[in-house]
Amino acid sequence: EDKVVQSPLSLVVHEGDTVTLNCSYEVTNFRSLLWYKQEKKAPTFLFMLTSSGIEKKSGRLSSILDKKELFSILNITATQTGDSAIYLCAAISGGGADGLTFGKGTHLIIQP
Amino acid sequence: DTEVTQTPKHLVMGMTNKKSLKCEQHMGHRAMYWYKQKAKKPPELMFVYSYEKLSINESVPSRFSPECPNSSLLNLHLHALQPEDSALYLCASSQATGLAGEETQYFGPGTRLLVL
Repeated sequence: EDKVVQSPLSLVVHEGDTVTLNCSYEVTNFRSLLWYKQEKKAPTFLFMLTSSGIEKKSGRLSSILDKKELFSILNITATQTGDSAIYLCAAISGGGADGLTFGKGTHLIIQP
Repeated sequence: DTEVTQTPKHLVMGMTNKKSLKCEQHMGHRAMYWYKQKAKKPPELMFVYSYEKLSINESVPSRFSPECPNSSLLNLHLHALQPEDSALYLCASSQATGLAGEETQYFGPGTRLLVL
């Protein structure tokens, strides 16, 4: 059975801190790993990672995939209160159209 | 444009009611998905449609009936639901090319369902 594990499950930091969120996966026929941010409604897409060792960056957020060790990290630098959310990691397996296997998420709280 | 729309935003129904959730996308995506999300849990896959055909049903009870009338629309028909079916129902879409890096799923805002 496919499995995605995120850690920590919750994290409280102060504004301006840097955080690292972890995601490990055991997925047959792995294709890609995705990171989403979820506030009150639907998950919003952050990154898709398919190749190992290539960092994806968007502003203060960055992410990288290690296909040998089967994990990914999401870094957020200079955190702001607006970064408070649940960050979900999800893996895609198979080909074409397959559902996402989600981890339980990391609930990140940024205190002013 | 990466917009997926869902209606209604909120729905309250009794256990004997029949209702439908609707999802629409105009990104030319040929794969569409229904997920169920309970409070403080990640989304769980329910159904996948690929090129308007049901390709995955994750052992969902028959009181949930999906329908894909065309490549832009996805419905979820609800009948005789139970209170434990109360959840956020999310629709998503993606390309279905099978090419690595083109599988990003874009989510709609969801329908928050309460079954009384």
